[in-house]
Amino acid sequence: DIQMTQSPASLSASLEEIVTITCQASQDIGNWLAWYQQKPGKSPQLLIYGATSLADGVPSRFSGSRSGTQYSLKISRLQVEDPGIYYCLQGYSAPWTFGGGTKLELK
Amino acid sequence: EVQLVESGGGLVQPGRSMKLSCAASGFTFNNYDMAWVCQAPKKGLEWVATISYDGSSTYYRDSVKGRFTISRDNAKSTLYLQMDSLRSEDTATYYCAREIPFFDYWGQGVMVTVSS
Repeated sequence: DIQMTQSPASLSASLEEIVTITCQASQDIGNWLAWYQQKPGKSPQLLIYGATSLADGVPSRFSGSRSGTQYSLKISRLQVEDPGIYYCLQGYSAPWTFGGGTKLELK
Repeated sequence: EVQLVESGGGLVQPGRSMKLSCAASGFTFNNYDMAWVCQAPKKGLEWVATISYDGSSTYYRDSVKGRFTISRDNAKSTLYLQMDSLRSEDTATYYCAREIPFFDYWGQGVMVTVSS
């Protein structure tokens, strides 16, 4: 199974700050990587797919990048509605596997 | 508007069975693979099973193979998850999701609690 190691597990940031979350894949997954945001009591929302493509309706302050087997989600200017738990997902080979999650809070 | 609405959850005793349903609308159901994803209380997300757009292929995580069965009725635009021999570790919120192969739309989730 492909392991997705996500970091940090939690972080606290201020409004307008730049936030970066990373996922390290245990093997090459190409661009088969997605990012999700989950708010308490809600289902996950797709933010980024194909490692770098922004999902419909997602604000442009969210962006994804890839360097080899390391993937990053960047929030360019943290807004009040952005706290939640963020997950990466590899869609390269079954079983599809998620990262452990990053809990993002406002400082 | 794409909508996925799960039903069928609740409290069930260990060893018993439960069947979840997911009613889809707002898109051409029989054009898409569909999946179930679960989330144990206060835990992360885990993919459970996937079924191809025509129902001809199914895939499962190891921990549910032989116990869970994913199926679909394209005429009714409905996805199912038959869960047999339930264990306490199956306690979770179960989401149905459209798979592209990323999960682009999710239902609101249904809670399954396995306990005596």
